[in-house]
Amino acid sequence: AQTVTQSQPEMSVQEAETVTLSCTYDTSESDYYLFWYKQPPSRQMILVIRQEAYKQQNATENRFSVNFQKAAKSFSLKISDSQLGDAAMYFCAYRSPNSNYQLIWGAGTKLIIKP
Amino acid sequence: DAGVIQSPRHEVTEMGQEVTLRCKPISGHDYLFWYRQTMMRGLELLIYFNNNVPIDDSGMPEDRFSAKMPNASFSTLKIQPSEPRDSAVYFCASSSPLNTEAFFGQGTRLTVV
Repeated sequence: AQTVTQSQPEMSVQEAETVTLSCTYDTSESDYYLFWYKQPPSRQMILVIRQEAYKQQNATENRFSVNFQKAAKSFSLKISDSQLGDAAMYFCAYRSPNSNYQLIWGAGTKLIIKP
Repeated sequence: DAGVIQSPRHEVTEMGQEVTLRCKPISGHDYLFWYRQTMMRGLELLIYFNNNVPIDDSGMPEDRFSAKMPNASFSTLKIQPSEPRDSAVYFCASSSPLNTEAFFGQGTRLTVV
C-alpha cells in the first residue's frame, strides 16, 4: 500500500524568504500523481500544484515549485517570496492512476509566516 | 462553476440527534468523496461514489454513518445517532476523468455536545 510522509509538523519562514516543505512517499507503481494542497484558516482545501510522475520536468505555479525526485520518492514544495497569505497547513497527497481518484494524504505541515 | 458546495458550514447538535450534511458537486463530475478531518487522524476517506453509485464505503466508521447520492448533483452524509466523538470537519470533494485532482468544498464543522 502507498504511504505519504511529511516529516515536518511545523515550519516557519520570514516574509519574502524562501521555504521548502518536504514530502516522501512509498509506492511500487511507476505511474502516479502527486499533489500539494493548502488549507488556510478558512479550512478550504486548495490545490497548489500537481506533478505527473511520467513528467521529468518539475511543476511550477508562480511562486510555487516542486522538486520531484522519482528515484528517491521525494516531492518537496518550494515557496519563494513567502507572503503572509501563504500561512496555512500544507498537505502532500498521492494518487494512483488505478485508484478511482482516491488520495493518500500526508499528515500535513503547518507553515507560519513571520512578518 | 461555483465549485463544490457544502451545507451547513457549521452544525452544533446534541448527542443522540440525527445530523445530515449536504453536498453539491461540480457539474459534470462523476466522482464524489466524503472525507472527515480531525486533529488525531488527519484526513480520512469515508466513502466515495462513481456515477451516483457507492464504490467503497470501507472508511465509514460505524453503522451510525450512512451516505446517499440520489442524483448527480446531490449527496448527503447522515449520522444517526450522533456522538461527541463524531465532532470533526467533514469535507465533500468531486472529480472527473478530465482532472487529475479532487476539488473540495469548504467543509462542515460538526460539533456534537
